[in-house]
Amino acid sequence: DTAVSQTPKYLVTQMGNDKSIKCEQNLGHDTMYWYKQDSKKFLKIMFSYNNKELIINETVPNRFSPKSPDKAHLNLHINSLELGDSAVYFCASSRTINTEAFFGQGTRLTVV
Amino acid sequence: GESVGLHLPTLSVQEGDNSIINCAYSNSASDYFIWYKQESGKGPQFIIDIRSNMDKRQGQRVTVLLNKTVKHLSLQIAATQPGDSAVYFCAEKSYSGAGSYQLTFGKGTKLSVIP
Repeated sequence: DTAVSQTPKYLVTQMGNDKSIKCEQNLGHDTMYWYKQDSKKFLKIMFSYNNKELIINETVPNRFSPKSPDKAHLNLHINSLELGDSAVYFCASSRTINTEAFFGQGTRLTVV
Repeated sequence: GESVGLHLPTLSVQEGDNSIINCAYSNSASDYFIWYKQESGKGPQFIIDIRSNMDKRQGQRVTVLLNKTVKHLSLQIAATQPGDSAVYFCAEKSYSGAGSYQLTFGKGTKLSVIP
């Protein structure tokens, strides 16, 4: 009965590969997010979707493409992975765009 | 205490003492603030929030204080326990235009509880 679940938890892949991270929330929330946490623990928003519509798209390389097939899912696809993409990626959701966000447990991506 | 630079600020506290974690925010238009706790290997977990029309809010063992004049937020943890050891983040929510809000996180403070 995990509220925000993302898969996989760990992902090790070679440079140049394409990979996806999946996220699902069962809270009935309208808004979903992707955050990136670097090695210094700094959390930065990448994307935000409200009712399947993209509302925040921070300065992120266009190799990163979010996809929201429905309100409960927000997947992150990354093309041509680079070493600098190594980080922990967190999915989150909130009831509305102006309430607290609930986070998944993170996906640790390592690009070798 | 806090420091700037490459290292995560660290606060070491004896078990049973009170902890105070500080945060300076940047946007005077921010109207909603949240404290998150992140344990090792886990995602950030909501602790307590406060709206800009308040200056204090209390939860169970935690209190958040907001000083809008100096754009300062603090989290007080009473009777700190080993399970409180984690990285604590403050986050501010501000309107970013076109009907959307953005949650911006601070750098984080690592709290270590000494048994």
